[in-house]
Amino acid sequence: EAGVTQFPSHSVIEKGQTVTLRCDPISGHDNLYWYRRVMGKEIKFLLHFVKESKQDESGMPNNRFLAERTGGTYSTLKVQPAELEDSGVYFCASSQETRKREQYFGPGTRLTVT
Amino acid sequence: KNEVEQSPQNLTAQEGEFITINCSYSVGISALHWLQQHPGGGIVSLFMLSSGKKKHGRLIATINIQEKHSSLHITASHPRDSAVYICAVRFTGTASKLTFGTGTRLQVTL
Repeated sequence: EAGVTQFPSHSVIEKGQTVTLRCDPISGHDNLYWYRRVMGKEIKFLLHFVKESKQDESGMPNNRFLAERTGGTYSTLKVQPAELEDSGVYFCASSQETRKREQYFGPGTRLTVT
Repeated sequence: KNEVEQSPQNLTAQEGEFITINCSYSVGISALHWLQQHPGGGIVSLFMLSSGKKKHGRLIATINIQEKHSSLHITASHPRDSAVYICAVRFTGTASKLTFGTGTRLQVTL
């Protein structure tokens, strides 16, 4: 069984540009989560999808971030326009069932905004 | 405020030593996760606990719900155990959202 995959593994962009991160969850996992770790800080929750619906987006930092999960399969996280403070590692995770199942994490996308 | 604290932040041990990493949290939880991240690697889930104790190989995780505390133990540590260990909890009433500790960086030397 393939694990959670993320693309790209690393992205370097200039301030003001747009970047789109992609996450492919484990097949059959309805729950998909986005997390972020900025330098020196703990990992923080961004949002949670159940299938194609946003269940909780309380962690999204501002309206420059847009997450989608069309069709309830893969998800994208777009940052537009990117700012320096958006630099960090963006992790995606998926799980089968909201409360009872552990979350499986992807390898992360390292975003560097210069 | 929902918080998770880990200690120590950094830990160096010699091969073979018994290691303990601690995690405390502020309010009630429905589940606690222990995660591992090797340098340059992704995050791997080691345990998910809601009570008691779990064991997998040389790793043991315990949780005391009343004291709001969990420990991760590594017996007979090995250099390949060198990694960042992260405690993450699902606070009661927050659905499946995880709140993370800052992590413990473990270095096991020969």
